[in-house]
Amino acid sequence: DTGVSQDPRHKITKRGQNVTFRCDPISEHNRLYWYRQTLGQGPEFLTYFQNEAQLEKSRLLSDRFSAERPKGSFSTLEIQRTEQGDSAMYLCASSLGGQGTWQFFGPGTRLTVL
Amino acid sequence: AQSVTQLGSHVSVSEGALVLLRCNYSSSVPPYLFWYVQYPNQGLQLLLKYTSAATLVKGINGFEAEFKKSETSFHLTKPSAHMSDAAEYFCAVTWMDSSYKLIFGSGTRLLVRP
Repeated sequence: DTGVSQDPRHKITKRGQNVTFRCDPISEHNRLYWYRQTLGQGPEFLTYFQNEAQLEKSRLLSDRFSAERPKGSFSTLEIQRTEQGDSAMYLCASSLGGQGTWQFFGPGTRLTVL
Repeated sequence: AQSVTQLGSHVSVSEGALVLLRCNYSSSVPPYLFWYVQYPNQGLQLLLKYTSAATLVKGINGFEAEFKKSETSFHLTKPSAHMSDAAEYFCAVTWMDSSYKLIFGSGTRLLVRP
């Protein structure tokens, strides 16, 4: 049973550096979501793909954040010019269209910006 | 706008005691409601969901929740707590005609005393 995987699991970077995270969804799932979770809070929606199309972005996403899903399979989330406030857990989830309410989450990437 | 409120950031129970975690929602359209559990440094695991079928929903690990429209509540219960239930629990809402993005509450940390 291959679930949602994320890489890396942990990332430590210095302020101002760029970082990229990868998410591999469950293979037949056409919807992919990114969430951000800060300490002591619930996850907050960042963006959503249906196949390769990015259909919605949260206002949380500044122009330093970008996400892609080029072939409708894996996705990447890039943060440019990282700030200390970007330190958080970045979670990816996937679901099957038509049964879109089921979202399966990956283990997350924990980002620490020094 | 849709939102979720979880009453009590921390709940402590004795092993074998009833677990009750509270969730109230606000939604202008019929909601889909979820409970997820998160263990330290891990992603979220779906416990159960309500999607307009039976109002009493049974999930994994002996948990269940009841959708009460009149009270706008979806409280999570378990008759007898086990040490392994200690974790963070999140209530979430989504709805049709959206990306099905999840709106999460701030979470309740369940502590189980021996």
